Amino acid sequence: EPEVTQTPSHQVTQMGQEVILRCVPISNHLYFYWYRQILGQKVEFLVSFYNNEISEKSEIFDDQFSVERPDGSNFTLKIRSTKLEDSAMYFCATVTGDHSGANVLTFGAGSRLTVL
Amino acid sequence: SQKIEQNSEALNIQEGKTATLTCNYTNYSPAYLQWYRQDPGRGPVFLLLIRENEKEKRKERLKVTFDTTLKQSLFHITASQPADSATYLCASINTGTASKLTFGTGTRLQVTL
Repeated sequence: EPEVTQTPSHQVTQMGQEVILRCVPISNHLYFYWYRQILGQKVEFLVSFYNNEISEKSEIFDDQFSVERPDGSNFTLKIRSTKLEDSAMYFCATVTGDHSGANVLTFGAGSRLTVL
Repeated sequence: SQKIEQNSEALNIQEGKTATLTCNYTNYSPAYLQWYRQDPGRGPVFLLLIRENEKEKRKERLKVTFDTTLKQSLFHITASQPADSATYLCASINTGTASKLTFGTGTRLQVTL
C-alpha cells in the first residue's frame, strides 16, 4: 500500500524557534490532515486541508500554526514560535478513498517534536 | 458536548482468548465508526469501519458491532496472539463537521502467553 512519508522523524528545538514538519502524502490524494499526540495522550485533530485550503481546524490550531502545500506534493505544518507544550508526535494523514465517502485515514509514521 | 470514549485501563488477556474492547459515544449519532490499531511510536493503522445501519462487520479474526441503542461499538479479536498487543482506537466524525475524524483515548491490549 502506498505510504505517507513524514520528515523529520525526530526534531529537537529550543523554545521560541520555528519548526517545519513535512509530509509527502499519497499521490493524487486531495484531503490531508495533521494530528498530534502528546506522550500518553489521545490522537488529537489539528487541521484538515482540502483543495489547497483549510477545511476545518481545532482550537489547538491557533495563530502559531500554519499549513501549506508549497509545491503540489509536499504538505507542511509550521509552528512559528514553539512552546514546551508543543512537544508531541505529529502525524500527517490522507483520506483513503475506497470506503464510499467515509473518511478512512492513512497515517504517516509521525514526526516527534521535542521542545527544550 | 459530543464525546467518544474508550476504557483507558489496559486489557490483559491470555493467548487464544477473545479480547473485547468497548467504544461509547454520547450526544451525537455517528454515521459510522472506525477502528484503528496503534503500536508504540507509530501512526494509527485502519482496521475496520462499520456503518450505523450495520450490526456487525468481520475481517479475519476481527469483529466489530455497532449498537445505536446503547450508543456503543464493540471490537473483538478472537484467538488472540501476542502480536495483537497494541493500543486500539475508535474514531468517528462528529455531527456538524465534514472532515474532523475524532479519536477515542484508545485501549491498550496486552496478550500474554
